[in-house]
Amino acid sequence: AQRVTQPEKLLSVFKGAPVELKCNYSYSGSPELFWYVQYSRQRLQLLLRHISRESIKGFTADLNKGETSFHLKKPFAQEEDSAMYYCALRGGFKTIFGAGTRLFVKA
Amino acid sequence: DAGVTQSPTHLIKTRGQQVTLRCSPKSGHDTVSWYQQALGQGPQFIFQYYEEEERQRGNFPDRFSGHQFPNYSSELNVNALLLGDSALYLCASSLRAGLTDTQYFGPGTRLTVL
Repeated sequence: AQRVTQPEKLLSVFKGAPVELKCNYSYSGSPELFWYVQYSRQRLQLLLRHISRESIKGFTADLNKGETSFHLKKPFAQEEDSAMYYCALRGGFKTIFGAGTRLFVKA
Repeated sequence: DAGVTQSPTHLIKTRGQQVTLRCSPKSGHDTVSWYQQALGQGPQFIFQYYEEEERQRGNFPDRFSGHQFPNYSSELNVNALLLGDSALYLCASSLRAGLTDTQYFGPGTRLTVL
């Protein structure tokens, strides 16, 4: 079965603390993995994708095929990082999203 | 460029009715995907349209149908509405949906079925 699991619905951290949003996937094949973000009153938008292997707004994500994980990390959280984060995989033309994790960065 | 636009913003229908939602893709994009997002859930893929054809479909019944026009805009039609169809419907556009394209999302249409 194709599935994306984000085990935390809510993650609360203090400003300056490291943050890790967990994502595990199930897919028989080689999917493309993404993280999407939705800031308050804004549209869902792409944050990063695993094939780019880039850091966006200080966030990175490494695809671990052995553990079928694609965790999102940032060493020092900022208040402006507070948002809803969705992990997603694409197989073929279909994109499957996780249920999302709300990140709250406290001052 | 206004990006992806969707209409209407909100819609209230009763069970058994039919509804049509509209999406205009970002300028230059030729592929449209539709998603259903229930409260507290992530978006669920309904289907994708490219070159006016449905290219892939998610796990949704035939009550959900779509169309893509020559100008790449798209419609989502839902027949025989059920209470469970109440959700935010998102449209996303991309360019020639190769496997490395980026999807741009619209603001969504909030459908309430009473």
